[in-house]
Amino acid sequence: DAGVIQSPRHEVTEMGQEVTLRCKPISGHDYLFWYRQTMMRGLELLIYFNNNVPIDDSGMPEDRFSAKMPNASFSTLKIQPSEPRDSAVYFCASSSRTGAEETQYFGPGTRLLVL
Amino acid sequence: AQKITQTQPGMFVQEKEAVTLDCTYDTSDPSYGLFWYKQPSSGEMIFLIYQGSYDQQNATEGRYSLNFQKARKSANLVISASQLGDSAMYFCAMRDMEYGNKLVFGAGTILRVKS
Repeated sequence: DAGVIQSPRHEVTEMGQEVTLRCKPISGHDYLFWYRQTMMRGLELLIYFNNNVPIDDSGMPEDRFSAKMPNASFSTLKIQPSEPRDSAVYFCASSSRTGAEETQYFGPGTRLLVL
Repeated sequence: AQKITQTQPGMFVQEKEAVTLDCTYDTSDPSYGLFWYKQPSSGEMIFLIYQGSYDQQNATEGRYSLNFQKARKSANLVISASQLGDSAMYFCAMRDMEYGNKLVFGAGTILRVKS
């Protein structure tokens, strides 16, 4: 079975540009999570969805960040305008509530560099 | 107080020996789950093992086992017969009802296996 798929794997952009990160969760999973990993702050949850509905976006750093999940198999995380401090690895993860442990399975991540 | 504490920033272990990575947690919720993830230098987050708070036995998955001491609120990861491929960053994480379905991660421990 395919795992969580993220694209692009690497993104380099200039400050002020819009950046869109994409995620396809594992089929049948009804939870989707977006995380950011930096050296300074470690792994932080930005937002998560249940059945395509945003449940908790308290980790979204500011209005420049937005996330959508138009259907069960696709989600986007958008940064507009991007800033150098947004440089990080962004992970998408998914899980199923049917599993007793509801383990979150991570995608390979998108390494973002904003110059 | 931090919810997840990993006190070892880095560790060395000789190939074929066992190693224990420490993790302590803080929660007042009687129902919670504890997870360990591995992040090799390639960057992906790999799920290793899960322990539920009501599980009577310590979790095991191949060479990985979790030394769960509930009264001490510790969930140490034991890797037996270390291999060079075990060199990576290891994260302990917890999910409890206070935080809904979110995972809270520790700062991580870098493990280096020496030949």
